Amino acid sequence: DQQVKQNSPSLSVQEGRISILNCDYTNSMFDYFLWYKKYPAEGPTFLISISSIKDKNEDGRFTVFLNKSAKHLSLHIVPSQPGDSAVYFCAARRYGQNFVFGPGTRLSVLP
Amino acid sequence: DVKVTQSSRYLVKRTGEKVFLECVQDMDHENMFWYRQDPGLGLRLIYFSYDVKMKEKGDIPEGYSVSREKKERFSLILESASTNQTSMYLCASSILSRNYEQYFGPGTRLTVT
Repeated sequence: DQQVKQNSPSLSVQEGRISILNCDYTNSMFDYFLWYKKYPAEGPTFLISISSIKDKNEDGRFTVFLNKSAKHLSLHIVPSQPGDSAVYFCAARRYGQNFVFGPGTRLSVLP
Repeated sequence: DVKVTQSSRYLVKRTGEKVFLECVQDMDHENMFWYRQDPGLGLRLIYFSYDVKMKEKGDIPEGYSVSREKKERFSLILESASTNQTSMYLCASSILSRNYEQYFGPGTRLTVT
């Protein structure tokens, strides 16, 4: 049973608009969350993280929101650019343990 | 510039063969990881190591072993490859205290026939 779920396998957004990628988790003991981005033929790269003591973390065009009561995480990209087209993985961890990754969402930003 | 390299981008092996996947990092990182990536399942941790000669099982260690004789090198071994081990294998490394920020290699696409 997957502990980290990304229910949308793919998402298409127009350039300049907002991209919202969603992630749900089942383990209430998870205390740290992050997003990785992966381009074809490359390894994933770390994008942004958030601790469970916060509900928002921002880094430039990227903002991650955490709703602990709903066990829901989202990544907002504003404005979206064609170079943001990639697969995005959500991951979560319980303190002292390794990260569990979701299946990924493929984002396509259309010019 | 941070770099993690993997010995092969593509590999085709026969069922029953012993397979070695090599990973080298040049960042003096303590942690090294091996994952496999399959469609619909994301990245799943096979093994990790936080020091030379140390290894810990991840979520799916069955059918795999690892070796870390030097800090910069972490090898994944398939003792007897099977078709269900056909997958993309990704190596990563990180600083000991920052295991959330992992640096990944480009991956090895292994096909077992």
